[in-house]
Amino acid sequence: DAGVTQSPTHLIKTRGQQVTLRCSPKSGHDTVSWYQQALGQGPQFIFQYYEEEERQRGNFPDRFSGHQFPNYSSELNVNALLLGDSALYLCASSVPGENYEQYFGPGTRLTVT
Amino acid sequence: GNSVTQMEGPVTLSEEAFLTINCTYTATGYPSLFWYVQYPGEGLQLLLKATKADDKGSNKGFEATYRKETTSFHLEKGSVQVSDSAVYFCALSKKTSYDKVIFGPGTSLSVIP
Repeated sequence: DAGVTQSPTHLIKTRGQQVTLRCSPKSGHDTVSWYQQALGQGPQFIFQYYEEEERQRGNFPDRFSGHQFPNYSSELNVNALLLGDSALYLCASSVPGENYEQYFGPGTRLTVT
Repeated sequence: GNSVTQMEGPVTLSEEAFLTINCTYTATGYPSLFWYVQYPGEGLQLLLKATKADDKGSNKGFEATYRKETTSFHLEKGSVQVSDSAVYFCALSKKTSYDKVIFGPGTSLSVIP
């Protein structure tokens, strides 16, 4: 059983550009959450998708947007990249209420130059 | 709001030493509590969890007990190994259908031979 997968592994972008990160949830999971982990810090919740809709959002600007597809996979889009967007972006999948546990992918390391 | 506080690192221990990483939380109600571990260059792995007061989570020699009276979830291991070197995150999740995870800042552990 494949766990949560993310692509790409690493990405380098220039300020002002746009980026799309992808996530496939663990088999049987229908909820996908995205987190941003800056260097030396704990992950911060960006938003969560369920039934193809954004269900909850953390304290991130509208430059951060997402999408969930009918097969439950998800994309995170960031527009007008800033140097401060450089971070490890983690995707987590879950089944609501199942021990309230989220399964994390290996992350995408985004570097903005 | 809900938050997690954990002891600052880095923590450096000799192999076979006793480990304690303190964690306290602030939350309404009775959240689920977690310890996640992040090895160098990798994503997050769930180490252990507890979903109600007085529960003890355990895995790979690590233990933590959910203490409601002190709002704590301290991580312990009786004898650390070099392979335990990693960053450890204490986290909580409220028991709602929107089960985002709130993380502490992380504690870096280095175990030397």
